[in-house]
This record gives sequence, C-alpha cells and structure tokens, in this order.
Amino acid sequence: DTAVSQTPKYLVTQMGNDKSIKCEQNLGHDTMYWYKQDSKKFLKIMFSYNNKELIINETVPNRFSPKSPDKAHLNLHINSLELGDSAVYFCASSRLAGGEQFFGPGTRLTVL
Amino acid sequence: KQEVTQIPAALSVPEGENLVLNCSFTDSAIYNLQWFRQDPGKGLTSLLLIQSSQREQTSGRLNASLDKSSGRSTLYIAASQPGDSATYLCAVDNNNDMRFGAGTRLTVKP
Repeated sequence: DTAVSQTPKYLVTQMGNDKSIKCEQNLGHDTMYWYKQDSKKFLKIMFSYNNKELIINETVPNRFSPKSPDKAHLNLHINSLELGDSAVYFCASSRLAGGEQFFGPGTRLTVL
Repeated sequence: KQEVTQIPAALSVPEGENLVLNCSFTDSAIYNLQWFRQDPGKGLTSLLLIQSSQREQTSGRLNASLDKSSGRSTLYIAASQPGDSATYLCAVDNNNDMRFGAGTRLTVKP
C-alpha cells in the first residue's frame, strides 16, 4: 500500500559510473518531483514533471535526467557519477502542480 | 530568489509542553506552504498544507498559521509527546519551485 516507493533504498557505486533510481506512485497523481538532501540535511528540488512540462532547477548538472515512462513513474538517471553526488534522493508526487506533496522513503547514494 | 529560514534550529522540551516552531520566507508571492516531519533516516511525512489564500490549518494537536504579508508561518504543537521528536521542515512553493528551510530538530523528553 506504499503511496510513493523508490528503489533501491541504498546504492553504492564507483565514480564515473551511470546509475538509475526508480520511483513509482500509486496515488494517481499528475505531478512528480525529485529532491536531493545533502550531508547537511538540506533539501533542494531538482525537477518537477507532469505530462506537459518538465521544470529543471538551474543548479542541477545535465548529467542528471528524469525519465517518465508513464504517469506513475519518474526515474532519475545519473551519468558519470561524481563524489559530490553522494546524498539522499527523494521522489515525491502531488495530485496537481502546487498541491500537497507526498514523499518516498529516499535512496541513499554513495559514490566512492 | 525565495529563501526559507527556520528558528530555532533545535529545541528540547519536557513532555506535555506546548511549543511553537517558526518559519520565515522572503518572497510573499507563494502558492502554498507545507509543514513536514522527518524522522532520522526516513522520508518526509506531510503534516499540514496551507494554501496562499488560507490563514491556518489544524490537524489534531497541530496548528499551522500563515501570514503571507509578513512572510511567516508557525507550527504549534499542543501537549507534546516523546513521539513528536523529529525534524520539522517548512517548505514554500512558488509555482512548482519548492524551497525548504533547514529544519528544526525537536526533542521531547519523557
């Protein structure tokens, strides 16, 4: 019955690799988001996406790309991973853009 | 650019006390404001959402207020319990651009 789920929960990988994090929501929401929480626990939005529009935070490197195979999924692809990418990544969704957001449990990414 | 500040950064109270957490933001043209709690190593749980046209929202022992003109919101927790111990985050939405405060780490001592 998990509303917003992410896989994997933990991801440990080497610098330079390409990896993906999956996100699924079963709430029937139209908008999904990706956030990054750094080592200081500060949360920053990376992307918001619905079937019409992708909004990218200008500080996000283009090595990060969201991919949405359907309305219930928004996966995060990361190319050429760097040490500074180590963080916890949260997926979220809302019924409409600007609505109440519901978060997934997070994926802890460690780049060695 | 919207900046969100939360005060205090940490708060420790004995069980049963009422308490107030503060959130301030610099750009009053917000779409909504949302309060979350985050337990260690966990995701965020939505507590209350206040639309820009509203002044407060209540859920159980929680009451959140919003004063857009002064750029402030407060989260009031009544009769605090040890289970309320967590980090409380305030987030402001400016049309799909959600900005979070750094959070207030609350400890409620039995």
